[in-house]
Amino acid sequence: DQQVKQNSPSLSVQEGRISILNCDYTNSMFDYFLWYKKYPAEGPTFLISISSIKDKNEDGRFTVFLNKSAKHLSLHIVPSQPGDSAVYFCAASAVGGTYKYIFGTGTRLKVLA
Amino acid sequence: DTGVSQDPRHKITKRGQNVTFRCDPISEHNRLYWYRQTLGQGPEFLTYFQNEAQLEKSRLLSDRFSAERPKGSFSTLEIQRTEQGDSAMYLCASSLLGERAHSPLHFGNGTRLTVT
Repeated sequence: DQQVKQNSPSLSVQEGRISILNCDYTNSMFDYFLWYKKYPAEGPTFLISISSIKDKNEDGRFTVFLNKSAKHLSLHIVPSQPGDSAVYFCAASAVGGTYKYIFGTGTRLKVLA
Repeated sequence: DTGVSQDPRHKITKRGQNVTFRCDPISEHNRLYWYRQTLGQGPEFLTYFQNEAQLEKSRLLSDRFSAERPKGSFSTLEIQRTEQGDSAMYLCASSLLGERAHSPLHFGNGTRLTVT
């Protein structure tokens, strides 16, 4: 039972354009969401998070949008840079749980110069 | 902040052997997690400590797996009688339980296990 889904395994975007990565979840108890970036041979690096009391959080070039009714979140990267090429994972955690984080399967982003 | 440190980075072992991995979390972090990642998948939760108490274990964690966090500092993950299906990247992460119930996980660079 995959509670967090990233349905696009890969995405290619031109440098300078917007990258939009999507994530869907099924567990309505999730109340905290995160995005991670992973380069080969390294551990995931935290990018940005959002609590369920918000619908948007912004940090520099990265913005996360949360649509609770649709159980959907997205990560926008503007403008995209070649160094953004990596695998991106969304993750979610449930209120009242042990604060374990459930990860999606990842989307490989390639930013073309 | 020296980050989360994992040792070794790579481990090749023969089927049936025991292996042990070590994780040193960020020093002030009181939560420590172990995840496993295989090719094409996201990190899968294995177990979680708050200080020295192991609060949850995944069903993925068979009896051959054991994790400890003595004194609430570093942690070890042992796999006994390894099987080829145990080949994966084992990731350790830590976070700080503070006023906010949720806080991001900070990951180490993982230990890649290959069972031959």
